[in-house]
Amino acid sequence: EDQVTQSPEALRLQEGESSSLNCSYTVSGLRGLFWYRQDPGKGPEFLFTLYSAGEEKEKERLKATLTKKESFLHITAPKPEDSATYLCAVQYSGGGADGLTFGKGTHLIIQP
Amino acid sequence: ETGVTQSPTHLIKTRGQQVTLRCSSQSGHNTVSWYQQALGQGPQFIFQYYREEENGRGNFPPRFSGLQFPNYSSELNVNALELDDSALYLCASSDNRGLNEKLFFGSGTQLSVL
Repeated sequence: EDQVTQSPEALRLQEGESSSLNCSYTVSGLRGLFWYRQDPGKGPEFLFTLYSAGEEKEKERLKATLTKKESFLHITAPKPEDSATYLCAVQYSGGGADGLTFGKGTHLIIQP
Repeated sequence: ETGVTQSPTHLIKTRGQQVTLRCSSQSGHNTVSWYQQALGQGPQFIFQYYREEENGRGNFPPRFSGLQFPNYSSELNVNALELDDSALYLCASSDNRGLNEKLFFGSGTQLSVL
């Protein structure tokens, strides 16, 4: 059973069409939930860290929220440059000594 | 401030061979971790080095080993390569042992095992 599940696997939106990406997790002892963006041929780029349920963080058109079992990445009025794979990861007590456990990602395409 | 750099960018090896991948961490960072990313998957944690010692390991066999040097650069060594080792290998650096800290990733080394 996957510890971190992201949905949908892929999402195609029109420019300006807002939507949300989901990340659900089954680990206990959460120490942090991370969102990264990955462009083709590049390493992941850090976006946000959330530590506790109810926490929210924003950056430009992106807003990340956290509950006890899932996180959402809300994208408002996206632009073509927001096209990328968005990865969710958790760090938890009992995990591989501080390593992050990633989901498979959501491949987002924003069409002009 | 320089970012995380990895070399080589691409590598082709034959099953059974050995490979060494290299990583220079971001200036001021004392922790390096390595991840394996297969096509269409998220990165998987291999291990982490803090001040030249391994201080955490994921579910990878002993033929995956590493080193961290006094300048905090790092190597990932893989012995007896298997076809399934074909993947993008990512190095990430951080401060404070990576505890609740964001990771800075390099662009990776694409390894193909034939």
